[in-house]
Amino acid sequence: DAKTTQPNSMESNEEEPVHLPCNHSTISGTDYIHWYRQLPSQGPEYVIHGLTSNVNNRMASLAIAEDRKSSTLILHRATLRDAAVYYCILRRYTGGFKTIFGAGTRLFVKA
Amino acid sequence: GAGVSQTPSNKVTEKGKYVELRCDPISGHTALYWYRQSLGQGPEFLIYFQGTGAADDSGLPNDRFFAVRPEGSVSTLKIQRTERGDSAVYLCASSLSEGDKNEQYFGPGTRLTVT
Repeated sequence: DAKTTQPNSMESNEEEPVHLPCNHSTISGTDYIHWYRQLPSQGPEYVIHGLTSNVNNRMASLAIAEDRKSSTLILHRATLRDAAVYYCILRRYTGGFKTIFGAGTRLFVKA
Repeated sequence: GAGVSQTPSNKVTEKGKYVELRCDPISGHTALYWYRQSLGQGPEFLIYFQGTGAADDSGLPNDRFFAVRPEGSVSTLKIQRTERGDSAVYLCASSLSEGDKNEQYFGPGTRLTVT
């Protein structure tokens, strides 16, 4: 299974941008990069995904390195509600598309 | 519309007992996934279904765990002879179809406690 590496935790101030890094040096050409987040006492929630090009949606932006060995999830203005665990995941077909979560990055947002 | 629902929300059982956990996916979603999550860890993949069939059950820890989805909608995760180590939050997710791009929608989970 494709492995991702994320910092255990990060801290941000409210209203400031947050850049959450993810390393995936073993990524293959057909792997999609997905990000999910999990708020306390809830199931994970989809944030964004991409393949090669940078992506934007209403929640966040995803910047993918040119060699695809790393990516960065960008929250443009952190709010207290963004405090969660953020998971960076590679989805690869190996007879199926099971999703392998790592430990993620716990984001703390200070008021 | 309605999201993924899971019942019960909490289940306390004694060691050695049998439990069933239910997942109602979003209507029309053909892919369904089960995960379990221990405190402080990310979700651990157990099994996923495409329609009625288990497309990948490689995450089931042992033969005490079994899951079914007989009509391609509701799924039940069954655990026999429960052990204290089975205590965790069991998460279900569904997606429109199986594919590397399709986002998964998660339910709130069932917290299982084995005493």
